[in-house]
Amino acid sequence: GDSVTQMEGPVTLSEEAFLTINCTYTATGYPSLFWYVQYPGEGLQLLLKATKADDKGSNKGFEATYRKETTSFHLEKGSVQVSDSAVYFCALYAGGTSYGKLTFGQGTILTVHP
Amino acid sequence: DTEVTQTPKHLVMGMTNKKSLKCEQHMGHRAMYWYKQKAKKPPELMFVYSYEKLSINESVPSRFSPECPNSSLLNLHLHALQPEDSALYLCASSQEGFRNEQFFGPGTRLTVL
Repeated sequence: GDSVTQMEGPVTLSEEAFLTINCTYTATGYPSLFWYVQYPGEGLQLLLKATKADDKGSNKGFEATYRKETTSFHLEKGSVQVSDSAVYFCALYAGGTSYGKLTFGQGTILTVHP
Repeated sequence: DTEVTQTPKHLVMGMTNKKSLKCEQHMGHRAMYWYKQKAKKPPELMFVYSYEKLSINESVPSRFSPECPNSSLLNLHLHALQPEDSALYLCASSQEGFRNEQFFGPGTRLTVL
């Protein structure tokens, strides 16, 4: 079945550090890929998405590239801020036997210190 | 309007109570979802409505009863819940065709005593 694997957390960084959160997936066909962010006490917000191989999603300084050859969608940001502290979820939609269902990774907790 | 709203924000109920959660969107989305999220875990899908018809029920216990009165509204009726049902309940919506991104509401924090 479909699955998403995210790097183990929590991740702790100093402000202005470079961020990478690894995400790899297993799915049949050509899934759509998403990064969602959840700030404390809130729901999930879509951060960025990519729908086909080599697409790059970007938003608020975050980027991720859909790499079909390595089945990866790693999230990067060049300079994190304290306000980026949140839980980040990688997710995919593959359809087929998972029709209508998003498959989420386990989430990565990011804490950024001043 | 690009948001999904949920009420109430917090709910405390006893195991014999009946309560309802409400979700509303005005983005013209035709798919709506209920998720349950435990602390530090990803959301777990409960129900999916497509064009106001229930299309997916992830084997959710009957003490949770969804309802979609119209294309903008989604309710979740709760009855005889257990303490382990305490969680954040999230509503989401998406354009027709599930490949599109889902937009999530802020959630209802439910505590069952």
